[in-house]
Amino acid sequence: EAGVAQSPRYKIIEKRQSVAFWCNPISGHATLYWYQQILGQGPKLLIQFQNNGVVDDSQLPKDRFSAERLKGVDSTLKIQPAKLEDSAVYLCASRIAGEGETQYFGPGTRLLVL
Amino acid sequence: SQQGEEDPQALSIQEGENATMNCSYKTSINNLQWYRQNSGRGLVHLILIRSNEREKHSGRLRVTLDTSKKSSSLLITASRAADTASYFCATGLSNSGYALNFGKGTSLLVTP
Repeated sequence: EAGVAQSPRYKIIEKRQSVAFWCNPISGHATLYWYQQILGQGPKLLIQFQNNGVVDDSQLPKDRFSAERLKGVDSTLKIQPAKLEDSAVYLCASRIAGEGETQYFGPGTRLLVL
Repeated sequence: SQQGEEDPQALSIQEGENATMNCSYKTSINNLQWYRQNSGRGLVHLILIRSNEREKHSGRLRVTLDTSKKSSSLLITASRAADTASYFCATGLSNSGYALNFGKGTSLLVTP
């Protein structure tokens, strides 16, 4: 079974530029999560989707971050404009809705904002 | 805010020794999970213990949960160099769509 795919794996941008990350969850997983992991800390939830609907985006900085999952499969997370403090690893995870609580994580996208 | 807090922040042991990591959390939970993260394999789920369980085993892993103290421990027996990684506890709530609240993690170094 293929795992959660993310791209790109690494990205370096300058502050005030925009960037987008892509995630393709495990086939059949209706629930998709985006987490932000700052160096030395645990992942922090940014947004959660159930199919193509947003379940929780309370911790998403909506003035600069946006995310979508238009067809209920893959998802895109965008930052515009980026700030230095956005440097982090962005992790995507998916889960089978209604069956267990285990989340499966992708390899992450490491973002460096200069 | 982060729900769990792992202790210690860092742990260094030799191969063959046991490693114990502790996690404390703040609010009621449905389950508590432990994840491992290393540069090679990303964040990997290790074990889940539900709020009505007190102890669970999986291979060389043993997890305990004390809901009265809001704490959990992860024991890795007979550690191997390949166990070198960061270990995170994460709590989930069914009414939050099982989104996870992670602690800051324990960095484990196992030396040959």
